[in-house]
Amino acid sequence: DVKVTQSSRYLVKRTGEKVFLECVQDMDHENMFWYRQDPGLGLRLIYFSYDVKMKEKGDIPEGYSVSREKKERFSLILESASTNQTSMYLCASSKIGTGQYFGAGTRLSVL
Amino acid sequence: AQSVTQLDSHVSVSEGTPVLLRCNYSSSYSPSLFWYVQHPNKGLQLLLKYTSAATLVKGINGFEAEFKKSETSFHLTKPSAHMSDAAEYFCVKAYSGAGSYQLTFGKGTKLSVIP
Repeated sequence: DVKVTQSSRYLVKRTGEKVFLECVQDMDHENMFWYRQDPGLGLRLIYFSYDVKMKEKGDIPEGYSVSREKKERFSLILESASTNQTSMYLCASSKIGTGQYFGAGTRLSVL
Repeated sequence: AQSVTQLDSHVSVSEGTPVLLRCNYSSSYSPSLFWYVQHPNKGLQLLLKYTSAATLVKGINGFEAEFKKSETSFHLTKPSAHMSDAAEYFCVKAYSGAGSYQLTFGKGTKLSVIP
């Protein structure tokens, strides 16, 4: 079974803190993705990566950055967390041309 | 622009009755379409996918979906709802861009199952 692991299920941070969300997949997938999920808005793509050290902006990249130094790991970084970044964050991975496999999500609260 | 429209934000059915969750997508030549399910406080799980083979696609847990090109629809059905089906369901369209493979999500349909 494909496994996508997000390092934290719940996080509470303060405004202005730098936040790291980590995601690891164990199936040698080329593509990895970060989404945020908000009630009534569905899932929105923040960033994706199709190879090591490669990244592309999604629909809502403002306020976020990413890092992919190894194929299995994709990190989402909030440089200076703000309250409007309180959300559920979902990581996913896929091989080219297949459906995506999702992690369990990280619920981030920024106070 | 790619788009996916889930026609109902909330559907409520009685246990043992049929389920219909509706989805329309923006037209493209050869779409790849998916349904995902998300149970409370869980990640998304792939239910089924259509990739231009048979138009009737069978998925897990008794769900199936029919691809209708003329209607640009990909509705999800199940003959008999079970309590464990209560969850949020997302219709998704895949497209290739910038050298990779991205998904466009519908806004989701929350399914309630009444005992």
